[in-house]
Amino acid sequence: NFILTQPHSVSESPGKTVTISCTRSSGNIARDYVQWYQFRPGSFPTTVIYKGFERPSGVSDRFSGAIDYSTNSASLTISGLQTGDEAEYFCQSDDSSSVVFGGGTTLTVL
Amino acid sequence: EVQLVESGGGSVQRGGSLRLSCAASGFTFDAFAMAWVRRAPGKGLEWVSGVNGNGEKTYYAASGKGRFIVSRANSQNTLFLQMNSLRVDDTAVYYCAKTGNFDILGGYYTSFEYWGQGTLVTVSS
Repeated sequence: NFILTQPHSVSESPGKTVTISCTRSSGNIARDYVQWYQFRPGSFPTTVIYKGFERPSGVSDRFSGAIDYSTNSASLTISGLQTGDEAEYFCQSDDSSSVVFGGGTTLTVL
Repeated sequence: EVQLVESGGGSVQRGGSLRLSCAASGFTFDAFAMAWVRRAPGKGLEWVSGVNGNGEKTYYAASGKGRFIVSRANSQNTLFLQMNSLRVDDTAVYYCAKTGNFDILGGYYTSFEYWGQGTLVTVSS
């Protein structure tokens, strides 16, 4: 198995752009799809990105996903930050035998 | 509209058992694999178990293998997780999740399209 490493927390001002990374410890990041989930207190968890960069219907186009082959990482970028974006964000992938989650990143919109 | 409603959580002593249920609606239940994901207090997410669309293939994380049994009743649109020999470190909110494919792992990518609100399991010593 591999590990997905995320920063513990990030913060940014409303209207700005923030990027959250998710680094895979071994194996090619592009080998298996990466998903991103948003956990907000009092709300159901939701998927914001799947298959690396696809956005589910109903998710704002302020959310985008990408792969950085040079750092073996996936990233989630949120532009035009709003206070409602404050949440924990988890990346997730899998290999042939297990599902792996990143440790989660707390986003604070100051 | 997809809805997933978990039930069955509660408090139990170490070594005890609990059976979680997840009532699903708003999609063709037997066309999709389902899964359980948990979150211990102050911790991140941990995948627990999954089952393919027809219930014939089941998958477990190492932490629950041999103690947990996942199953589904497609005629009732319901997912189950039987948890036995519970340990204190099984304390967590357990989420039911709908995946995006008929199966998971082994050639299928695993994504959790929809989640329930979670049910709390507390195991005391």
